[in-house]
Amino acid sequence: QVQLVESGGGVVQPGRSLRLSCATSGFTFTSYVMHWVRQAPGKGLEWVAVIWYDGDNKYYADSVKGRFTISRDNSKNTLYLQMNSLRAEDTAVYYCARVPVANYFDYWGQGTLVTVSS
Amino acid sequence: QTVVTQEPSFSVSPGGTVTLTCGLSSGSVSTSYYPSWYQQTPGQAPRTLIYNTNTRSSGVPDRFSGSILGNKAALTITGAQADDESDYYCVLYMGSGIWVFGGGTKLTVL
Repeated sequence: QVQLVESGGGVVQPGRSLRLSCATSGFTFTSYVMHWVRQAPGKGLEWVAVIWYDGDNKYYADSVKGRFTISRDNSKNTLYLQMNSLRAEDTAVYYCARVPVANYFDYWGQGTLVTVSS
Repeated sequence: QTVVTQEPSFSVSPGGTVTLTCGLSSGSVSTSYYPSWYQQTPGQAPRTLIYNTNTRSSGVPDRFSGSILGNKAALTITGAQADDESDYYCVLYMGSGIWVFGGGTKLTVL
């Protein structure tokens, strides 16, 4: 069955870095566009970033552009999010999600919590 | 910056019908935005309900339906049940690789 499992969350000080991973299984990873979506405590969902099948195309929300980098390792079926210069407002549960050609989020991971605090 | 709008909250009686909407701060929502809808309960990951405007995801009851109403995407729940009490989010594909979620609607069934 399809599985997406995020890891790498934790408590980090403002200005520091963190890398999230999303290990996938149960489907052909290279056939899907992959996304990161986050949700601050008590708030709504916010789209963060997307990466195309081969990793050549990447797009970001304005709120993270220049600080976050999305990447994928198709040999390991794993998606990553490198988060630099973290701010308190980046505190959130981060979900990875896959998107088929029909352009919607069909499977989601369970999320990993990132807390940015001194 | 385009904002995707949703009603912050809505209330429906058990067995009743409710329509939640998803609009744009500027312009109209069309099928070209690939509107999709997600249900989320506290502490859980979102669950996909509707995609491509009106296609139900696998396993979603047919009391959930999607459409375009006027200049907005819409999610209609017919015959609301107690376990439909959740947060509902729409998301639109804005093109050029950019997606935007609405702020979500908290649905109360009482």
